Amino acid sequence: EPEVTQTPSHQVTQMGQEVILRCVPISNHLYFYWYRQILGQKVEFLVSFYNNEISEKSEIFDDQFSVERPDGSNFTLKIRSTKLEDSAMYFCASNGGANTGELFFGEGSRLTVL
Amino acid sequence: GDSVTQMEGPVTLSEEAFLTINCTYTATGYPSLFWYVQYPGEGLQLLLKATKADDKGSNKGFEATYRKETTSFHLEKGSVQVSDSAVYFCAEYRAGTYKYIFGTGTRLKVLA
Repeated sequence: EPEVTQTPSHQVTQMGQEVILRCVPISNHLYFYWYRQILGQKVEFLVSFYNNEISEKSEIFDDQFSVERPDGSNFTLKIRSTKLEDSAMYFCASNGGANTGELFFGEGSRLTVL
Repeated sequence: GDSVTQMEGPVTLSEEAFLTINCTYTATGYPSLFWYVQYPGEGLQLLLKATKADDKGSNKGFEATYRKETTSFHLEKGSVQVSDSAVYFCAEYRAGTYKYIFGTGTRLKVLA
């Protein structure tokens, strides 16, 4: 069964460092998303991406964040200068089309900022 | 703005008890509605969905009915098992918004 894969599964970094989280969405999907979940709490929308550009982003997704689909298969989330409050589980998700319903999630990348 | 409200957890039940987890949405129009489940240490998985009013989604003994009149999509299961212990998220998607909105999640613990 096709699945969304994310790497790394866990990353520990120092405050102020840059972090790149990687995702490989399901190959024929068109819409890509990043969500984050802080310590088992609410799943918060960060950004959606379609046709090589951001479709929508939340207030959380400030100038420290960026997304890229560099090679047609990977979908990356970059945090330019991490803060303590960026510590969370980051989930990538993909969807075959805006109205097909199901978001397929990866297993998440846990980011710990010290 | 649009939001999804779920009942607070945790919910603790004995095996074979009846489960209801309430969910209400505020999106105008006719959003698609979903229940996702997150087992410990895993990502979110779709449990069931409904895309229009009066639709009933069902899977693994869970059911939820899209009620437009009460803007609700409550999750029910007639007899829970220990293996149902997880966090359940209600979510909505409104076409054209390019995002799914999730509720805060409700942790369910089923005791043997």
